[in-house]
Amino acid sequence: DTGVSQDPRHKITKRGQNVTFRCDPISEHNRLYWYRQTLGQGPEFLTYFQNEAQLEKSRLLSDRFSAERPKGSFSTLEIQRTEQGDSAMYLCASSVLQGFSGANVLTFGAGSRLTVL
Amino acid sequence: KNEVEQSPQNLTAQEGEFITINCSYSVGISALHWLQQHPGGGIVSLFMLSSGKKKHGRLIATINIQEKHSSLHITASHPRDSAVYICAAVNNNDMRFGAGTRLTVKP
Repeated sequence: DTGVSQDPRHKITKRGQNVTFRCDPISEHNRLYWYRQTLGQGPEFLTYFQNEAQLEKSRLLSDRFSAERPKGSFSTLEIQRTEQGDSAMYLCASSVLQGFSGANVLTFGAGSRLTVL
Repeated sequence: KNEVEQSPQNLTAQEGEFITINCSYSVGISALHWLQQHPGGGIVSLFMLSSGKKKHGRLIATINIQEKHSSLHITASHPRDSAVYICAAVNNNDMRFGAGTRLTVKP
């Protein structure tokens, strides 16, 4: 396992189409995060999972967005009825709690870049 | 070899100390981000630099484009500065992250 894998790396779609991104985290990591990043901005948190449970969702995650992690391993992020404003890099990261501090060190995937025409 | 290298990987300091975190990159960039990751996992963008120096409160970021190097400085460090600091090199539509520097500031 060499890290967090995301697929596809690039996706170009027409407005109104549905898209799905997949993230395969580091195998022993029980936490999985999705971030969105637009050009020139820092990543913005979307949602995270502890094992298969989705524990937090950002207000950025409208009802067109849904994320799943059915078996507590890989995760998918689906965007329905895409809009041009959805164009961004979608980053996945995974982590595991570090000892007593409870601090996470995130390992990021390379991201999936979405362009909505 | 990673395209974006940060050092040190871990850093422990006493409250009040001056902190420096370094980032070197091998790719061409249009900008470089410094990000702060809190223990809960949220990421905050601290700076975006394309040249020179930026200052915000106790934080200062510098970049030397010719040397492909950036530094993040924290003056008068405080325990609440404890976090992971990540630099990310941006090149048009692509971003490459460093592995992060875990900073612990002890009271």
